Order: sequence, then C-alpha cells, then structure tokens
Amino acid sequence: QVQLFQSGAEVKKPGSSMKVSCQVSGGTLSSSSINWVRRAPGLGLEWMGGIVPFFNTPTYAQKFQGRVTITADKSTNTVYMELSSLKSEDTAVYYCARRYCSGDSCHYYFDFWGQGSQVIVSA
Amino acid sequence: SYELTQPLSVSVALGQTASIACGGHNIRSKNVHWYQQRPGQAPVLVIYRDASRPSGIPERFSGSNSESTATLTISRVQVADEADYYCQVWDTGTAVFGGGTKLAVL
Repeated sequence: QVQLFQSGAEVKKPGSSMKVSCQVSGGTLSSSSINWVRRAPGLGLEWMGGIVPFFNTPTYAQKFQGRVTITADKSTNTVYMELSSLKSEDTAVYYCARRYCSGDSCHYYFDFWGQGSQVIVSA
Repeated sequence: SYELTQPLSVSVALGQTASIACGGHNIRSKNVHWYQQRPGQAPVLVIYRDASRPSGIPERFSGSNSESTATLTISRVQVADEADYYCQVWDTGTAVFGGGTKLAVL
C-alpha cells in the first residue's frame, strides 16, 4: 500500500519561502508522478505542479511559474515543493498526491494523497 | 484555460440519491475524475475515468459523462457522505479542478 508522509505545519513571514516535503513509502518514485495541490481557506483544490522523478522533469501551473520549485530525491523517496515570495493568500493546506506511472505514461488522476501540511503566512 | 463548473452546494435527504454535476466545454471528450474531501481530511479518489471505482469505494458511488456535463451520483446517501466533492480533468499538461460542491445530508 502506497503512503505519502508530509512534513509538519509551518508559520512563515510574508516575502519569505516555504519548503514542504513528501516521502513516499510502499512504492518507488520510479513508478510515480508526485504532484502538489493546495486548499486555501474558503476555496477549493488548486493544482500547483508535479514532477516525474524518473525523468526529473517538473511541470508547473502557470499561476505559480517563477515562484514554485519541485524537486525529487530518489535516494530517500522524497519530493520537495518550495514556494517563494510568500503572501498571505498562500496560507493553505498543501497536499502531495500521486499519479501512477509506467515508464513515461502516467495516469491522469491522483490515487494516493499525503495527510496535508498547514502553512500560515502572517506578519 | 479550461474551466470546470460545479454547483456550490447540493442537499439530499438521508437515504435518497444525490447527483453532483460538473460542466465543461466538450467535457465528454475528457476523462473526469472525482474526489471526496471530508472536513480536516485529505481528498480521496472516489471515481476515475468517468465511471470506474477504486477498490474500497462503495458501489453507491457511480459516475457518468455525456455531452457537456459529467455527473457523480451517490445512492442511498449516508451521513458519512457529507463532504466536499471535486471533479478533475487533465488539460494541456495541467490538472484542472472544479470549484467543489458541498453535499449536505438532511
């Protein structure tokens, strides 16, 4: 059974950066695309981007281009998402979510999710 | 960019059938996936590729996709089904979520 374990809650100052981790167990990154989805208070789910560690190729939502960086450490089965120039509107619960991949072909849905990491951006 | 439209809320009596719609341009040409998110919990995949159910999801959950609307149907609704529901598609290399529908069980 695949499980995704995320890092804990954080409080950040506006203008600073955040970095959230997602460790995959019960599977390997070679058969996964790990994506990041957030949910801000009062809003819905929002896809930020993802990475196929096998190819080490990240893809980002246009809204976050230039502010988000997703990286993978295959030696520890861990994916990281860094968001810079934080604003109060970035206060949200951040989730990592897996897409199953076989070679360079990945499913287009998220079958396993992490527990979420609460990030609060406040002065 | 592609947009998915969902009603903000749907109310249903206990034991009855709930239908949650998801609209999008030519949505019939896309594979639609559905997630349930209970308060304080991570989303859970309940339907993938329009109508397939992951293991562990009750048969009460079903999906369809036709013309300009995809639909999640929950039969014999239970109190535990109260949650937010999101549809999702993949478009030009990005994941797109609907705005979400809050299901209230009366």
